[in-house]
Amino acid sequence: QSVLTQPPSVSGAPGQRVTISCTGSSSNIGAGYDVHWYQQLPGTAPKLLIYVNNNRPSGVPDRFSGSKSVTSAYLTITGLQAEDEADYYCQSYDFRLSGSRVFGGGTKLTVL
Amino acid sequence: QVQLVQSGAEVRKPGASVKVSCKASGYTFTSSDINWVRQATGQGLEWMGWMNPKSGNTGYAQKFQGRVTMTRNTSISTAYMELSSLRSEDTAVYYCARAVGGPKIYYFDYWGQGNLVTVSS
Repeated sequence: QSVLTQPPSVSGAPGQRVTISCTGSSSNIGAGYDVHWYQQLPGTAPKLLIYVNNNRPSGVPDRFSGSKSVTSAYLTITGLQAEDEADYYCQSYDFRLSGSRVFGGGTKLTVL
Repeated sequence: QVQLVQSGAEVRKPGASVKVSCKASGYTFTSSDINWVRQATGQGLEWMGWMNPKSGNTGYAQKFQGRVTMTRNTSISTAYMELSSLRSEDTAVYYCARAVGGPKIYYFDYWGQGNLVTVSS
């Protein structure tokens, strides 16, 4: 069981919008810790996609956006493209786990 | 450009140890923590711990306490992760990742290519 909960899978047609949730608790997201998102294409290492809730590194298209509420964070992808098909992971910090960085279980995005 | 280059695949028997390396280039090695994350086949990412290359200070996930050791050689800008008492469940791809930020803002901006470690009798 991951400390951060993500849906195992989401899907959408090209051009559509999808949102992936990342639900935490009062010891991580709810405690004010920031959330970051990674994209992992098949057979490759994870890549930073969104940092500090809603910031994109250079080179990441503005189709990708992040947001955060009380104990949850969200990754939204608009204008879905075939190359967006990948696994997506959220990551934060949990003060109950001795300084642990924690990941969500990951969400497989399928572009129909 | 920042690069983290990891050593090659390893095969070990149960009960043995494995030490994987992560050579950094393109930035000042001692300026950023190195973290280790593993991923079993078909599974999610699992954080293992961090190391500060400047001080050598480390912090490990509770699950790996007593079995993992993270070290570095600053003269060759290389970080190491050693995992002992290997069991079949440790079969995974092990990634090193450079960290950015402090306690509340802490994320991984560059990743190594990954090392497959296979534990099999």
